[in-house]
Amino acid sequence: GENVEQHPSTLSVQEGDSAVIKCTYSDSASNYFPWYKQELGKRPQLIIDIRSNVGEKKDQRIAVTLNKTAKHFSLHITETQPEDSAVYFCAQEGGSNYKLTFGKGTLLTVNP
Amino acid sequence: DGGITQSPKYLFRKEGQNVTLSCEQNLNHDAMYWYRQDPGQGLRLIYYSQIVNDFQKGDIAEGYSVSREKKESFPLTVTSAQKNPTAFYLCASTRDSTSRYGYTFGSGTRLTVV
Repeated sequence: GENVEQHPSTLSVQEGDSAVIKCTYSDSASNYFPWYKQELGKRPQLIIDIRSNVGEKKDQRIAVTLNKTAKHFSLHITETQPEDSAVYFCAQEGGSNYKLTFGKGTLLTVNP
Repeated sequence: DGGITQSPKYLFRKEGQNVTLSCEQNLNHDAMYWYRQDPGQGLRLIYYSQIVNDFQKGDIAEGYSVSREKKESFPLTVTSAQKNPTAFYLCASTRDSTSRYGYTFGSGTRLTVV
């Protein structure tokens, strides 16, 4: 079955620094990898996603990279701000059943 | 709530009692999902439905039941067989049976056993 490992579980950075969260997956048939941000007490919201036909995608301060050979993908946040503080989840779409399997989440704290 | 509404926001259950969590969407999405969120555990799939009148068990379906009689609605019943029901429950929907359009989540229901 699908399995997604996410690291680190917690990450603390100073405002302005970069943050990197990494995920590895097991289903080699997966083609879609989204990232969600969940602020305290709120619902997860999609922030960026990547499909297997590209290796990198960027949206302002957020970027995602994908290495299909190694079966891992990463979220990069540059010039972090306090409002980036949240729990971030990676996910993969199952190659056979199309449902998302989530990582366990990373609590990112950006210290002013 | 961006087209998907969960109610109630907070719910208290007594031991041995069944409770039903509501999830309604007006996005015309085909697929709907129920996840359970516990600290440090991420999002774990309980049940999902990719079409009306059909649903499938997820990874942790024991002690839960669902129905999908209407496209807009996917209620979750937490039965007395669920031994540790205290958690944050999230409902989600997506346009079709694939995930390529991303999930839209509801704002969640926090269930507490008293």
